[in-house]
Amino acid sequence: QVQLVQSGAEVKKPGSSVKVSCKASGVSFSNSAVSWVRQAPGQGLEWMGGIIPTFGKRNYAQKFQGRVTMTADISTSVGYMELSGLRSEDTAVYYCARVVGDILDLGIGMDVWGQGTPVTVSS
Amino acid sequence: QSVLTQPPSASGTPGQRVTISCSGSNSNIGSNAVNWYQHLPGTAPKLLIYSNNQRPSGVPDRFSGSKSGTSASLAISGLQSEDEADYYCAAWDDGLNGSLFGGGTKLTVL
Repeated sequence: QVQLVQSGAEVKKPGSSVKVSCKASGVSFSNSAVSWVRQAPGQGLEWMGGIIPTFGKRNYAQKFQGRVTMTADISTSVGYMELSGLRSEDTAVYYCARVVGDILDLGIGMDVWGQGTPVTVSS
Repeated sequence: QSVLTQPPSASGTPGQRVTISCSGSNSNIGSNAVNWYQHLPGTAPKLLIYSNNQRPSGVPDRFSGSKSGTSASLAISGLQSEDEADYYCAAWDDGLNGSLFGGGTKLTVL
């Protein structure tokens, strides 16, 4: 059974950075495309970017360019999303999610999701 | 305002068929696959439809997807109370070189 398990809740100060991890079990990152999605309170889903580790390919949403870094360790099947320059508007639940099957295309639907990591940005 | 436009709300009675629309452009829906998600508060989103009309294993055939030109639709037949949730369409956008979600549609089962 494929599972993604994320790191725990974080509370951060404005201007700081947060790094969320996402560990896969039952599947290797060598045949996975993984995206990061967030949902702020009262808002909809927002795609932040994605990574295809075996190709070394990353795509970031324009809104987060320069502030977000996504990495993955194929040997341990752990992915990371680091967001810097945090502001109150970054308060949200952050999800990692894997594209269905072994499809290495970030534009295809994601059927396995992590449990979500709440990040609160507050002074 | 989302690039992919969905109605903010939809409703139906148990047993009814409802459809949710998603309107985009040539750079997203017009040239890429459309995916649909169901999202209940406090839980992770669930993939209902990928690549326009494909259902992942375990998704009931009450859920179906279609696409025509720059628009797509999600249809739910035999509406059930547990279908009450938020529904999102998503598609890659070639101009933005990234994926997009629609603004979401809140489905109420009356």
